[in-house]
Amino acid sequence: SQKIEQNSEALNIQEGKTATLTCNYTNYSPAYLQWYRQDPGRGPVFLLLIRENEKEKRKERLKVTFDTTLKQSLFHITASQPADSATYLCALVQGTYKYIFGTGTRLKVLA
Amino acid sequence: ETGVTQTPRHLVMGMTNKKSLKCEQHLGHNAMYWYKQSAKKPLELMFVYNFKEQTENNSVPSRFSPECPNSSHLFLHLHTLQPEDSALYLCASSQDRGDSSQPQHFGDGTRLSIL
Repeated sequence: SQKIEQNSEALNIQEGKTATLTCNYTNYSPAYLQWYRQDPGRGPVFLLLIRENEKEKRKERLKVTFDTTLKQSLFHITASQPADSATYLCALVQGTYKYIFGTGTRLKVLA
Repeated sequence: ETGVTQTPRHLVMGMTNKKSLKCEQHLGHNAMYWYKQSAKKPLELMFVYNFKEQTENNSVPSRFSPECPNSSHLFLHLHTLQPEDSALYLCASSQDRGDSSQPQHFGDGTRLSIL
């Protein structure tokens, strides 16, 4: 069955540095991969979507890459700020409706 | 404001109680979802409705019963739950365009505790 792996260990980085989060998937090759942010006590919020034929996607300080050969997506936050501290989830969709999420990586940006 | 409202935000119930979770979306979407989120586990998809028709049931025990009276409202009826059902239950919606490209919009969940 499809599985998504994200580093379950928390990632602590210094303010101003670039945070890089990893998402690896097995088996199924998705046409799209999505990234979400989740704050404590809140639902996930959509950030970015990348298509299989796109190598890279940017939105302000966020950048996502998608390597279908490695079955991996990387999520970067440049010039990180304490307000970026949250859990980041990656997700792919099998078929039309079957969204599969990773466990998420908790990011803490230290002032 | 995410456009997806869930009530109640917190619910404590005994194993023999019957209760319902409610979700309403104001985004004009046609697909709605129930997820379970437990500590240190990925979001687990439970049910999917598209235009009020159930399209996915991810082997969910019958003590969870979904209802989708229209494209804007989704309910999860709970009956005879177990302690391991304690979790955050999230509702989401998306616009179905026949592919898997649409992002999901989540509510803030109902924190359920089973005594």
